[in-house]
Amino acid sequence: KQEVTQIPAALSVPEGENLVLNCSFTDSAIYNLQWFRQDPGKGLTSLLLIQSSQREQTSGRLNASLDKSSGRSTLYIAASQPGDSATYLCAVAPGGGNKLTFGTGTQLKVEL
Amino acid sequence: GAVVSQHPSRVICKSGTSVKIECRSLDFQATTMFWYRQFPKQSLMLMATSNEGSKATYEQGVEKDKFLINHASLTLSTLTVTSAHPEDSSFYICSAELTSGGSYNEQFFGPGTRLTVL
Repeated sequence: KQEVTQIPAALSVPEGENLVLNCSFTDSAIYNLQWFRQDPGKGLTSLLLIQSSQREQTSGRLNASLDKSSGRSTLYIAASQPGDSATYLCAVAPGGGNKLTFGTGTQLKVEL
Repeated sequence: GAVVSQHPSRVICKSGTSVKIECRSLDFQATTMFWYRQFPKQSLMLMATSNEGSKATYEQGVEKDKFLINHASLTLSTLTVTSAHPEDSSFYICSAELTSGGSYNEQFFGPGTRLTVL
């Protein structure tokens, strides 16, 4: 059974800092990995999707990397802003399937 | 494109009553939709896979008679929480699969429904 863990569970940083969120998964037979953002009481916004054959994806200040063999992904946020405050979730899609397994989430707070 | 809506966004009900939550894909057709449950400060747990025109597939531990799912059209799936109890209070999120013609169909998520059972 796939298990997805995110570290840290919570993070508080001053505005402007670069930061890294971590996601690890136990079964490396994934099809892709996706990073989402969730604001309090809201649904999910997809940030980046990395196919299993890719090593990284970039969108603006966000960069996600994937090391499938070691079961790890990182989300790098450059020059953090208060508007980045949210919970970040990673999710993996299995090879040959369509059911996502979500990580435990990292609650990020960027302070002025 | 690929917008998914949920209705209602919030609902408060008395214990023992039933509550229906709707999930709609607004600008695409979705053969498959998913229902998730999220407890405070926890991750999303898949409850069931909703398939248009057929019975839903429930995850282990989810009571199918308690959480009734109907996927009557290619744009609408409903989740009915029957005889709701306070422990059913949670945040329910749906997603709809966008068929791409490729080997992977991305899921697009609704904004969620906050259910509070008194």
